[in-house]
Amino acid sequence: EVQLLESGGGLVQPGGSLRLSCAASGFSFSNYAMTWVRQTPGKGLEWVSALSGSGRNTYYADSVKGRFTISRDNSKNTLYLQMNSLRAEDMGVYYCAKVIDGRYEYFQQWGQGTLVTVSS
Amino acid sequence: DIQMTQSPSSLSASVGDRVTITCRASQSVNSHLNWYQQKPGKAPKLLIYAASSLQSGVPSRFSGSGSGTDFTLTISSLRSEDLATYFCQQSYSTLRTFGQGTKVEIK
Repeated sequence: EVQLLESGGGLVQPGGSLRLSCAASGFSFSNYAMTWVRQTPGKGLEWVSALSGSGRNTYYADSVKGRFTISRDNSKNTLYLQMNSLRAEDMGVYYCAKVIDGRYEYFQQWGQGTLVTVSS
Repeated sequence: DIQMTQSPSSLSASVGDRVTITCRASQSVNSHLNWYQQKPGKAPKLLIYAASSLQSGVPSRFSGSGSGTDFTLTISSLRSEDLATYFCQQSYSTLRTFGQGTKVEIK
């Protein structure tokens, strides 16, 4: 059974940093691209970033480019999102998801999410 | 960015009703359109991918159709457990985008 477990969320001040983790199990982690999607009160569901199975190819939403870094450790079956220079508009629930990216791409399984609160 | 617009934003229907949700893209996404269901307090769950392919384990009362810019999610006979918000999402462009969601309530 595929399981994705996010952690690392919490309260951070504007301008601060946070690193999210997503521990994966139940599938061959290194064979799949992974993605982060957030859910905020203001924008609903928003795709944030994606990473190929090898980790060589990364993709970012314009709203986080230059501030967030996606990475993975395939030896630990773990996906990360390093978030720097956090803003109030980054506040929300962050989900990791397993990506199926053959002829069509879709987010096949999602974790339960971790809450990020940005406030002074 | 490709904008995804869903309608209606919310609806209320009775058990057994046929429910239709529409998603329109601001430009063609061919068939690169997915539908997700989010129950209260839970993570989104994949229902339909590639516009009309049913994800394994999803009940057959859910179906998707459309291509280009106009898409539809249909629940053929609404059940109480279908209380949820439904989102469309395009995977045509590198910048993936979601619709704003349609909240389905049970009368």
